[in-house]
Amino acid sequence: DVRMTQSPSSLSAFVGDTVTITCRASQYIDYSYLNWYQQKPGKAPTLLIYAASTLQTGVPSRFSGSGSGAEFTLTISDLQPEDLAIYSCQQTYSTPISFGGGTRVGIK
Amino acid sequence: EVQLVESGGGLVEVGMSLRLSCAASGFSFGEYAMHWVRQAPGKGLEWVSGISWNGHSIGYADSVKGRFTISRDNAKKSLYLHMQSLTPEDTAMYYCAKDAGTAVAYNWFDPWGQGTLLTVSS
Repeated sequence: DVRMTQSPSSLSAFVGDTVTITCRASQYIDYSYLNWYQQKPGKAPTLLIYAASTLQTGVPSRFSGSGSGAEFTLTISDLQPEDLAIYSCQQTYSTPISFGGGTRVGIK
Repeated sequence: EVQLVESGGGLVEVGMSLRLSCAASGFSFGEYAMHWVRQAPGKGLEWVSGISWNGHSIGYADSVKGRFTISRDNAKKSLYLHMQSLTPEDTAMYYCAKDAGTAVAYNWFDPWGQGTLLTVSS
């Protein structure tokens, strides 16, 4: 089974800052099978980025994803108040499908 | 507009069974794989189960294998999760999610329903 580890588990930054979240897989996974989700307080998750770096339609360009092999990153540039959320990575390279533990992003 | 509406959650006792349902609309349900994902209170997301477009390929998390059964009725545009031998560890919000493709793996989930809450009391 592929285990996904995210870091940090939480962070707090100022509006306008750039934040980076890392997701590491316990084994190689093709970049095509790494996705990121955003979950705002009290809401269901929504797709943010798929295939490691492709922004879902409607997602602001301040979000970006990169990585390959077993290490991937989500970067939020120019952090906005509405970006307060939990961000989770997901691998669909193999079943069982697995998620990272999530990173809670707060605004100072 | 693609919509997924879960139902069937509630408060049950340890050892009981329950069936969750997910009603889909706004897309060709029978052309996509579907999934159940749960989130225990204050915890991260956990994939529970997925089913291919035609129901021929199914996957389960180890934590529910042998106790939960996923199924779908493409004519009714509905996804189901039959849960048996429930334990307090199954307490969670259960989300239904549409896959971007036909297979259980290899794609991404979009959109997700709003979820249905299951509480298992001891």
